[in-house]
Amino acid sequence: GESVGLHLPTLSVQEGDNSIINCAYSNSASDYFIWYKQESGKGPQFIIDIRSNMDKRQGQRVTVLLNKTVKHLSLQIAATQPGDSAVYFCAENIGEGAQKLVFGQGTRLTINP
Amino acid sequence: KAGVTQTPRYLIKTRGQQVTLSCSPISGHRSVSWYQQTPGQGLQFLFEYFSETQRNKGNFPGRFSGRQFSNSRSEMNVSTLELGDSALYLCASSPLVGVGYTFGSGTRLTVV
Repeated sequence: GESVGLHLPTLSVQEGDNSIINCAYSNSASDYFIWYKQESGKGPQFIIDIRSNMDKRQGQRVTVLLNKTVKHLSLQIAATQPGDSAVYFCAENIGEGAQKLVFGQGTRLTINP
Repeated sequence: KAGVTQTPRYLIKTRGQQVTLSCSPISGHRSVSWYQQTPGQGLQFLFEYFSETQRNKGNFPGRFSGRQFSNSRSEMNVSTLELGDSALYLCASSPLVGVGYTFGSGTRLTVV
């Protein structure tokens, strides 16, 4: 069925360390993927996206890796800060020419001082 | 540049009533979609509109409906509310398909 899953529901890291959040998706035809960050009481905030014709994309302190062979997506956050504490969702667009995002269940990232 | 604006932010309704939620997309964005977020089911797609036409619909009952106006603003309506409809309803807009979708802060609906 339509689903995008994450390997870990929670992740705890030390401030300053790097974080890696993983995601497995199910639709091999998906061509667009997005990582979102959601803080308590707020809507999802766009972090970074990647298209299926790429396998890596870098932003400011964040990198997304896409492995289409095993349908795996990961988000790497460098030098984590307290403000990075949030729930992170991966999403794939399965809309075939329209917007229809399927989200994973999310990973709660906690940054320890 | 103003973000996606959803109103109201909070709403309490009684079972059996109906509710209308509003979403104003970012200026220039023509695609508007709606999602329901609950602790049990996570984020689930409701429907998407582009130029006043519904292009995609999720697996929700017919009690959930929506529309988009010529200025791209969108509304969603839920009729005959049930307790299980309590959720955070999120709206997202984008200028084109496949270009980062920006979410609003959502409307928190509580059905009692």
